[in-house]
Amino acid sequence: EVQLVQSGAEVKKPGESLKISCKGSGYSFSTYWIGWVRQMPGKGLEWMGIIYPRDSDTRYSPSFQGQVTISADKSINTAHLQWSSLKASDTAMYYCARLFEYVGTTPPPIAYWGQGTLVTVSS
Amino acid sequence: DIQLTQSPSFLSASVGDRVTITCRASQGISSYLAWYQQKPGKAPKLLIYPASTLQSGVPSRFSGSGSGTEFTLTISSLQPEDFATYYCQQLNSYLLFIFGPGTKVDIK
Repeated sequence: EVQLVQSGAEVKKPGESLKISCKGSGYSFSTYWIGWVRQMPGKGLEWMGIIYPRDSDTRYSPSFQGQVTISADKSINTAHLQWSSLKASDTAMYYCARLFEYVGTTPPPIAYWGQGTLVTVSS
Repeated sequence: DIQLTQSPSFLSASVGDRVTITCRASQGISSYLAWYQQKPGKAPKLLIYPASTLQSGVPSRFSGSGSGTEFTLTISSLQPEDFATYYCQQLNSYLLFIFGPGTKVDIK
């Protein structure tokens, strides 16, 4: 059974750093793209970026480029999302999301989601 | 950049109603459009991709249509478990996807 298990909720102060994780199991972690999705309180879904763990090919949506860092450690089947200096506006639920296999030229949608990590940034 | 709009942003309906949600893209995206359902406190669930293909396990009362710039999600007979927020998502080969703003379906 495919599972994505995310790290627990975090409460941080503005300016602090943070790294949250998403551990995949039940499939070949290296060969599926994993993305991150932000959902601010009461708001919609925002695609942040994505990584291919096998070669660490990473792509960021323009709004998130330079604001976060996406990484993956294939030795422990875990993807990460990190901030070097949090802002109050980073308060949100963050989901990791694994795509279906990318076959041919048709981009695959999201097949599996983590349970979400709630990040609260407040002074 | 491609933008997605959804209409309506909110709709109130009764069990048994036929419901249609529209997603419009600012430029043509072929059939690379997915629909997701999200219930409160839960991660979204894929319903349809591409454009008109129902995913395994999704009830047949859900259907999708469209290509290019205009797409629709239809629920033929709304059930109590269908009250949720629905998002369209544009996919591209670079894997930098875009979500629509969402449509909340509420109980009348």
